[in-house]
Amino acid sequence: NAGVTQTPKFQVLKTGQSMTLQCAQDMNHEYMSWYRQDPGMGLRLIHYSVGAGITDQGEVPNGYNVSRSTTEDFPLRLLSAAPSQTSVYFCASSNPGLAGDEQYFGPGTRLTVT
Amino acid sequence: RKEVEQDPGPFNVPEGATVAFNCTYSNSASQSFFWYRQDCRKEPKLLMSVYSSGNEDGRFTAQLNRASQYISLLIRDSKLSDSATYLCVPGAQMDSSYKLIFGSGTRLLVRP
Repeated sequence: NAGVTQTPKFQVLKTGQSMTLQCAQDMNHEYMSWYRQDPGMGLRLIHYSVGAGITDQGEVPNGYNVSRSTTEDFPLRLLSAAPSQTSVYFCASSNPGLAGDEQYFGPGTRLTVT
Repeated sequence: RKEVEQDPGPFNVPEGATVAFNCTYSNSASQSFFWYRQDCRKEPKLLMSVYSSGNEDGRFTAQLNRASQYISLLIRDSKLSDSATYLCVPGAQMDSSYKLIFGSGTRLLVRP
């Protein structure tokens, strides 16, 4: 199994550009989520999904859209990039339930907005 | 009050020391808790899970205090390789929310 994969690994955008960060998992996990991590800070939840067709907002959803058309994929779209969105973005997946809450993380996408 | 709070540290300890971190949580409905380790902005990796009062794995012990709503992580005989940031996160709540909110992390530096 590849686990959780994210592309691209690095990206530089200009202010106002849009782009999509890709996330895929091959573990048949129902739950997927996106976090951002700013320098010296913890992980902040952007959006999450408890299954195909279902998404919800996390702590910091503004400026981002998500969709979940399949169990495997959970792309994160930046609508109009701003310097404040410079961060490392992690995608994670897990299965709901008491024994299944361990989250598996992708390697991250390092985004710089100039 | 934040949903999950951790002392950011850094905790600077010599090799061989015992060190403990606490993590407080606000949602009393949380049934499970997790400690993750994160190295230098790489992806977090699961260190320990806690489903009842506590868990022990080698040099690492996690304890849960439901009355005071905190979990602790104890590291005995610290190694240089233990230097990292330790993140805690309550598991899925048994209410309608399924947000997995992490604490901001506690940084540990183990010196020779």
